Amino acid sequence: DAGVIQSPRHEVTEMGQEVTLRCKPISGHDYLFWYRQTMMRGLELLIYFNNNVPIDDSGMPEDRFSAKMPNASFSTLKIQPSEPRDSAVYFCASSFGQGRYGYTFGSGTRLTVV
Amino acid sequence: SQQGEEDPQALSIQEGENATMNCSYKTSINNLQWYRQNSGRGLVHLILIRSNEREKHSGRLRVTLDTSKKSSSLLITASRAADTASYFCAFLQGAQKLVFGQGTRLTINP
Repeated sequence: DAGVIQSPRHEVTEMGQEVTLRCKPISGHDYLFWYRQTMMRGLELLIYFNNNVPIDDSGMPEDRFSAKMPNASFSTLKIQPSEPRDSAVYFCASSFGQGRYGYTFGSGTRLTVV
Repeated sequence: SQQGEEDPQALSIQEGENATMNCSYKTSINNLQWYRQNSGRGLVHLILIRSNEREKHSGRLRVTLDTSKKSSSLLITASRAADTASYFCAFLQGAQKLVFGQGTRLTINP
């Protein structure tokens, strides 16, 4: 298995533009998570899905953020409109069951909003 | 804050020495996990210890958990240059919410 695949690896966009981050979880994993990492706030859980259904989106900072999981092999995190304070590294992770074997993280998308 | 607190924030040792990192948390947990993050990369799961376990080993890693003190430690023995990374503790709250500490930056000097 190629692991959790995220795209793009780097994204530079202008303030106000729409940004879409993509994630392909590990086949067979039934949980998918989106995290954001910044120096100031560390790793924050934004939202997670179980069997493609959003379970907890309490970490989504604002209505400008939305996430979807249309099928078991694909998820998107969208920011519209983007702002400079959204600059961070966004990680997708997946796990099987209750996470008893740990989470598998993707390599992340480094987002810079100028 | 529901996040864990890690101590120290940064640690620099000589190759071959042992490295110990500590993590404390505030609420009851189901399990506690440790992850490594190399610069510019994603997190890699190292080891998981359940709330009813007190110690666990994996290769050069040793993890302890003291639920009465709400704390855990990660020991890396015989450190190598390749161990240079940030190490995070993470604990599972509720059904499926993994909360991370702020991390310890470990530097192994050759």
